[in-house]
Amino acid sequence: NAGVTQTPKFQVLKTGQSMTLQCAQDMNHEYMSWYRQDPGMGLRLIHYSVGAGITDQGEVPNGYNVSRSTTEDFPLRLLSAAPSQTSVYFCASSSPGQGKNIQYFGAGTRLSVL
Amino acid sequence: QKEVEQDPGPLSVPEGAIVSLNCTYSNSAFQYFMWYRQYSRKGPELLMYTYSSGNKEDGRFTAQVDKSSKYISLFIRDSQPSDSATYLCAIQNTNAGKSTFGDGTTLTVKP
Repeated sequence: NAGVTQTPKFQVLKTGQSMTLQCAQDMNHEYMSWYRQDPGMGLRLIHYSVGAGITDQGEVPNGYNVSRSTTEDFPLRLLSAAPSQTSVYFCASSSPGQGKNIQYFGAGTRLSVL
Repeated sequence: QKEVEQDPGPLSVPEGAIVSLNCTYSNSAFQYFMWYRQYSRKGPELLMYTYSSGNKEDGRFTAQVDKSSKYISLFIRDSQPSDSATYLCAIQNTNAGKSTFGDGTTLTVKP
């Protein structure tokens, strides 16, 4: 019962470095999303995907890229890390049914950019 | 104005108290209303969802929706220290398949 798995759990980057946050789900969910969570600001949507090969921007997409080549995986790429990207990142998956979209979240990746 | 506004907290109550957590929203197209619970250093997990005005009860938890006022609440009866967490409301437009989250309310239940 793995659910949504995020790696790594922690990461420290220097300004300008690039990296990829991994997300995998084993529930055969069509929808996958990336959020960032900053203190007092709740969850803000970065990018989302409604199926393999289909992605779209959320509320705060600048500085991030995504792709979805398989149903299971939805990696998030930071192109050139900035201190403003210090945050906790959550990946979520869901399978909309009967209109509702209940999301299942991973445990998060804590990223610090120095 | 944010689409979803949540009472900011933090909230600290004694064990056994009744807790009320509240959100308001602005878009009447929202049709599904959810509450997620997030323990410290964990991902959010769904606690309750509802799609109609009225109350929905699950054990010590009651979700209440008033679509005419665009107001949703989560009540916790006989609160326990294990209820200490951040509670996030989430609201969804069925056509978009995306949820909009409130900023969360952090609850501490003291023994």
